[in-house]
Amino acid sequence: DIQMTQSPSSLSASVGDRVTIACRASQGINYYLAWYQQKPGKVPKLLIYAASTLQSGVPSRFSGSGSGTDFTLTISSLQPEDVATYYCQEYNSASFTFGQGTRLEIK
Amino acid sequence: EVQLVESGGGLVKPGGSLRLSCAASGFSFSAYSMDWVRQAPGKGLEWVSSISSSSSYIYYADSVKGRFTISRDNAKNSLFLQMNSLRVEDTAVYYCARDRRAYSYGVTDAFDIWGQGTMVTVSS
Repeated sequence: DIQMTQSPSSLSASVGDRVTIACRASQGINYYLAWYQQKPGKVPKLLIYAASTLQSGVPSRFSGSGSGTDFTLTISSLQPEDVATYYCQEYNSASFTFGQGTRLEIK
Repeated sequence: EVQLVESGGGLVKPGGSLRLSCAASGFSFSAYSMDWVRQAPGKGLEWVSSISSSSSYIYYADSVKGRFTISRDNAKNSLFLQMNSLRVEDTAVYYCARDRRAYSYGVTDAFDIWGQGTMVTVSS
């Protein structure tokens, strides 16, 4: 099975900072990578699919990049409402593995 | 409004069974692959099972294979998860989710619509 490893597991940043979260697949997954945001007590929300395509309605400060095994989620200017846990997910195989999550807090 | 509403969760003893349902509305249910994802208390997301639009393609996580069965009734816009031989480690919120693309014919995709979830607690 494919393993998905996110880094860091948690981070704290200031409003306005540029934030980057990494996700690494244990084997190549082409561009079949999604990013989700889960705010405390809420349902996961799709942010990005196909590694870099922004889901409709998602603010443009969110962006994704990468292909193969290494991917990143970037928030260009952190906002207070971005406090959440972020998950990557591969869908190259029928195992749909999620990363362990990155908890983002405001400093 | 596009909506998924889960039901059927509850408290069950180890070894017991439970059947979850997910009612879909606001979109052409029969055109989309559907999925179950779970989240144990304080833990991350774990994919459980997926079913294609016509039920031709069905996938399970190794952790539930042989114990859980996914199914759907396109006439009733409903998705199901039959859970047998439940274990303590199956305790989680179970989410119903929709694949992003219609008419994907078993080709996997990201999950764009999620229900609110239903809690399953396995405890003696």
